[in-house]
Amino acid sequence: DSGVTQTPKHLITATGQRVTLRCSPRSGDLSVYWYQQSLDQGLQFLIHYYNGEERAKGNILERFSAQQFPDLHSELNLSSLELGDSALYFCASRPWGGDTGELFFGEGSRLTVL
Amino acid sequence: GENVEQHPSTLSVQEGDSAVIKCTYSDSASNYFPWYKQELGKGPQLIIDIRSNVGEKKDQRIAVTLNKTAKHFSLHITETQPEDSAVYFCAASKTNTGFQKLVFGTGTRLLVSP
Repeated sequence: DSGVTQTPKHLITATGQRVTLRCSPRSGDLSVYWYQQSLDQGLQFLIHYYNGEERAKGNILERFSAQQFPDLHSELNLSSLELGDSALYFCASRPWGGDTGELFFGEGSRLTVL
Repeated sequence: GENVEQHPSTLSVQEGDSAVIKCTYSDSASNYFPWYKQELGKGPQLIIDIRSNVGEKKDQRIAVTLNKTAKHFSLHITETQPEDSAVYFCAASKTNTGFQKLVFGTGTRLLVSP
């Protein structure tokens, strides 16, 4: 158990809909990262938040948005869903301070768009 | 931005053999190179990492080598065991940006046959 909690674990929805994925980082971790894992696509970096502020953006679509709240949990919002958005979405957190680069991943939220 | 290429995409070995996975990165400013292992149904987990100030690092049966000039790094697993079967990802990042963005390769599926 990495200590990172993601909900829901599975989600099935229809094209055009909007969903919200939630992530609770490990206790004390200020950084939250979101990744998308599609078949044969590896782990695509979406966005990184640190203590409520956006720190880096990857190839995140305009239909997707994220935020990190004062209690440090984060949400990834996916709207106007398309079939191609079906994927496993991972959240990861990183310890504050020090020089460790280790990310602790949750078990992911599997999104299926029909 | 950073781009990480990883080969091979699949690797099958017999138990006891060695396995080697190779990655190249594009951004010469990257100086942190971790390797993650992803077992079925789980999130990736860090197994070893290396920084650009060293050329090799070992941890029991696992070793990583780095060639900064060629922008190339490799994962070596010796005396492979069936439990080593998983998907392995390499990644690259910069420590001086607070690990803002960790870019992953496309993954290698390793199958160790008894």
